[in-house]
Amino acid sequence: DGGITQSPKYLFRKEGQNVTLSCEQNLNHDAMYWYRQDPGQGLRLIYYSQIVNDFQKGDIAEGYSVSREKKESFPLTVTSAQKNPTAFYLCASSRQGVWSPLHFGNGTRLTVT
Amino acid sequence: KNEVEQSPQNLTAQEGEFITINCSYSVGISALHWLQQHPGGGIVSLFMLSSGKKKHGRLIATINIQEKHSSLHITASHPRDSAVYICAVDGNTDKLIFGTGTRLQVFP
Repeated sequence: DGGITQSPKYLFRKEGQNVTLSCEQNLNHDAMYWYRQDPGQGLRLIYYSQIVNDFQKGDIAEGYSVSREKKESFPLTVTSAQKNPTAFYLCASSRQGVWSPLHFGNGTRLTVT
Repeated sequence: KNEVEQSPQNLTAQEGEFITINCSYSVGISALHWLQQHPGGGIVSLFMLSSGKKKHGRLIATINIQEKHSSLHITASHPRDSAVYICAVDGNTDKLIFGTGTRLQVFP
């Protein structure tokens, strides 16, 4: 079955360490997205990519970095520059175009202490 | 004021009740999405619509473009419907704008 796989489900890191969250899709989707979810807030877009080797900043890109070397993969690195990294991170993908529903992974809950 | 507002924020119901969740938005849109987030965190796309009404099983989504309002209805609610329901709009940009979600609990 096609889908999006995020790993790990839970991640714990010490403050000051960079951490990379994995996102892999086998849906042959061109577009991929990273969202952050905090309690009481709507999903906020961190980065998105519409094609391999190209990506754009979302609304809250500071302290994060991404790469898109392969169509299937869109890893997110949470750097030590991110002031408040503890959150639930969701990866999503879609075909290009307006009429393309989003497919989400199951998320990674990152806790930084 | 948020560009996408959902109401209510929290909703409890008895099994079998008819549920309505509302979404109002303030921007021009090309499409509106209803999503379901289960307690484990994964999100599933329920509907994508730009006009009228769509139905899938016990779920019905309606949208009124002139009033900038959409509703999600659940008929004959069941405990397995317990989840957070999220409205998101495609505001003619590359990015969706999300509501904060409605937490639904259905008790047997």
